[in-house]
Amino acid sequence: DVKVTQSSRYLVKRTGEKVFLECVQDMDHENMFWYRQDPGLGLRLIYFSYDVKMKEKGDIPEGYSVSREKKERFSLILESASTNQTSMYLCASSLPGVEQYFGPGTRLTVT
Amino acid sequence: QKEVEQNSGPLSVPEGAIASLNCTYSDRGSQSFFWYRQYSGKSPELIMFIYSNGDKEDGRFTAQLNKASQYVSLLIRDSQPSDSATYLCAVSLSGGYNKLIFGAGTRLAVHP
Repeated sequence: DVKVTQSSRYLVKRTGEKVFLECVQDMDHENMFWYRQDPGLGLRLIYFSYDVKMKEKGDIPEGYSVSREKKERFSLILESASTNQTSMYLCASSLPGVEQYFGPGTRLTVT
Repeated sequence: QKEVEQNSGPLSVPEGAIASLNCTYSDRGSQSFFWYRQYSGKSPELIMFIYSNGDKEDGRFTAQLNKASQYVSLLIRDSQPSDSATYLCAVSLSGGYNKLIFGAGTRLAVHP
């Protein structure tokens, strides 16, 4: 079974804090993705990575950065958290050309 | 802007009935199509994928694809209360990297 894990299920941070969300997959997948999910807006792609140290912006990269130093780990960084970044953050991984598998999600609240 | 459209619902069906969920997409170059199920407060779980025109069956689930009409659907036979969830349609973007575009989802409610 594919396993994608995320470092926290729930996180509460203050405005202006730097926030790190970690994602680890154990299936040697090349591709990894970070999404946020908001009611009525569906899943929106923030960043994705197709190899170690390689990254591409998704549809809503502003205010976020990512890091992929090892194949199994993909980190999402909120440089200076803001209240409009309160959301459910979902990490996914896949082999090229096939379905994506999701982690359990991190519900982030920024106060 | 590439889009995937789904009726938000809720789609309410009685237990034992067939639930029909529909999805349209705008990218004519899309090659791969996926259905995910998401329970409230949980992450999406893949239930079906389809690449070719026609029908694909897996247990109580049937995915149907019509590329000419840019339409994909999911049928759930013998619906159970445990099928109550939001169903997300996802479509691969032409251009590589296995990027998917997700619809906002259809909420299905199966009542006893």
